[in-house]
Amino acid sequence: GQNIDQPTEMTATEGAIVQINCTYQTSGFNGLFWYQQHAGEAPTFLSYNVLDGLEEKGRFSSFLSRSKGYSYLLLKELQMKDSASYLCAAGDSNYQLIWGAGTKLIIKP
Amino acid sequence: GAVVSQHPSWVICKSGTSVKIECRSLDFQATTMFWYRQFPKQSLMLMATSNEGSKATYEQGVEKDKFLINHASLTLSTLTVTSAHPEDSSFYICSAGQGDYNEQFFGPGTRLTVL
Repeated sequence: GQNIDQPTEMTATEGAIVQINCTYQTSGFNGLFWYQQHAGEAPTFLSYNVLDGLEEKGRFSSFLSRSKGYSYLLLKELQMKDSASYLCAAGDSNYQLIWGAGTKLIIKP
Repeated sequence: GAVVSQHPSWVICKSGTSVKIECRSLDFQATTMFWYRQFPKQSLMLMATSNEGSKATYEQGVEKDKFLINHASLTLSTLTVTSAHPEDSSFYICSAGQGDYNEQFFGPGTRLTVL
């Protein structure tokens, strides 16, 4: 079956670094997406990985290991505005996105 | 990036009435549009996938006669919640995709409250 696993909730301190992990099992694989969703708003795109390795984009980086079915989103220099849910989604062979349940990230001063 | 709009942003209606939500891709042609529902503190739940000019594919457990989806053009899809009930109150979000690339561009969502 197809499945995405990510932690339900994480807490971190302002200014620190946090890593949100995601493991996936899909029928075929066409990339791994990370989205950010603030409460009451629609998701916004953060990153896309289809090759192994680390993609860096400002304070956010995303890593992919296809052989392990594993990805993580790394957030540096955390700010209060980073408090949100982070959704991991994997594209399967039919180019459908399989969504994780999201990780709620709580930032404390 | 690509822009997707939704209308209305929020709607309050009486039980038993029907509500139509529009989803438009403003600066690109969306071959596929997706409709999601999200209850408070829960993740996105895909309701249906629609390709322009063909019938929508509904996820298991989603009543196609209750949630009518029309994707008449490459820039517009509509979701009609028929005979709405309080349990249909939710945040409805559409997204649009292009071709085979998985990335979906999300609309801002429509908050539906059924009294």
